[in-house]
Amino acid sequence: DTAVSQTPKYLVTQMGNDKSIKCEQNLGHDTMYWYKQDSKKFLKIMFSYNNKELIINETVPNRFSPKSPDKAHLNLHINSLELGDSAVYFCASSQVFDYTDTQYFGPGTRLTVL
Amino acid sequence: RKEVEQDPGPFNVPEGATVAFNCTYSNSASQSFFWYRQDCRKEPKLLMSVYSSGNEDGRFTAQLNRASQYISLLIRDSKLSDSATYLCVVPNSGGYQKVTFGTGTKLQVIP
Repeated sequence: DTAVSQTPKYLVTQMGNDKSIKCEQNLGHDTMYWYKQDSKKFLKIMFSYNNKELIINETVPNRFSPKSPDKAHLNLHINSLELGDSAVYFCASSQVFDYTDTQYFGPGTRLTVL
Repeated sequence: RKEVEQDPGPFNVPEGATVAFNCTYSNSASQSFFWYRQDCRKEPKLLMSVYSSGNEDGRFTAQLNRASQYISLLIRDSKLSDSATYLCVVPNSGGYQKVTFGTGTKLQVIP
């Protein structure tokens, strides 16, 4: 049973396209996150949602729009993709919105923008 | 000082060896720290939390040196399966309830 799942696992697309990544967790957690891991392996938080409410919004271009239809889902839509968006995007969840809580990561979505 | 800093390695060690990594942090108010493990092309997974009193789990020991602002991870009797990147995680100083991940230290255990 997958705890945090993401689709798709791989995404190859052209510059300028719009794409979405979906994330679901079946752990009953309140908090979900999106992280970006670039080619230098730097894992940086993008967004955090708690009970469907946006809590953390780092300085991410507004081409990135998260959406949480319910506590178990957090999707990421990216408009007008750029070369620099190529990275691995990880979804994660934690039981509560507390930095001391363990974060459970999804398998990642490897996005390549050509 | 950067929010969190790690030696990227790689640390190449023979099976059975003991290896230790350090991670320095800048937020002197930080209370809780973590080590995550990330295998190649996989997601990060929590390895262990780091308490002020230290933490030990089998072959793994994590220590906190608050005066010098670093945490350490010691792995005894290294196994081939320990080969991975070890990410240090510290609370963010920005006032949010969030953490900052280090860029990781790569460990390669050699037969």
